[in-house]
Amino acid sequence: KNQVEQSPQSLIILEGKNCTLQCNYTVSPFSNLRWYKQDTGRGPVSLTIMTFSENTKSNGRYTATLDADTKQSSLHITASQLSDSASYICVVSATDNFNKFYFGSGTKLNVKP
Amino acid sequence: NAGVTQTPKFQVLKTGQSMTLQCAQDMNHNSMYWYRQDPGMGLRLIYYSASEGTTDKGEVPNGYNVSRLNKREFSLRLESAAPSQTSVYFCASRDRGRETQYFGPGTRLLVL
Repeated sequence: KNQVEQSPQSLIILEGKNCTLQCNYTVSPFSNLRWYKQDTGRGPVSLTIMTFSENTKSNGRYTATLDADTKQSSLHITASQLSDSASYICVVSATDNFNKFYFGSGTKLNVKP
Repeated sequence: NAGVTQTPKFQVLKTGQSMTLQCAQDMNHNSMYWYRQDPGMGLRLIYYSASEGTTDKGEVPNGYNVSRLNKREFSLRLESAAPSQTSVYFCASRDRGRETQYFGPGTRLLVL
């Protein structure tokens, strides 16, 4: 069964600290993996997208990694800011249906001053 | 360029009432989607439209109908609302050949 699991469910860190969010998936055949940021009361917004051949991709203080062999991805946030408080959602798509996206339930990050 | 817009932002219904959620995008995207988001769960696909004139069921279509009115607009209708349909509904669009979906701000629906 195609699934996307994220951990932890929630995380509290102090402003300025780093953190890493995890995403494990069983989706096959794999096409790509995206990380979205969802602020409270808003729709998700894309942070990064990674294909099979990409190991690392950065977007400012956000760095995503992908290990296609172990079917794991991580999102590392460096020098966190209060504005990083949000839910982070991992989304995986397969090559057999380009309109089917498998969503994780998200990690809720709270950055405290 | 407003992106994806949704109306209304918030709605309260009584069980059995009907309503239509509206979605429009101004990015000339071919594909449009309706999702629901419930606490502790990932977004679940209700219906999608791969292109103007076509619609297909997603993971949780029961109790909903959709209309792709034109390339810009994709509406979601609840014919007889049930408390189980209390949720946040997101519309999204995607350009052909591109993987990233663009989401609207959501409609919060409460069915009493």
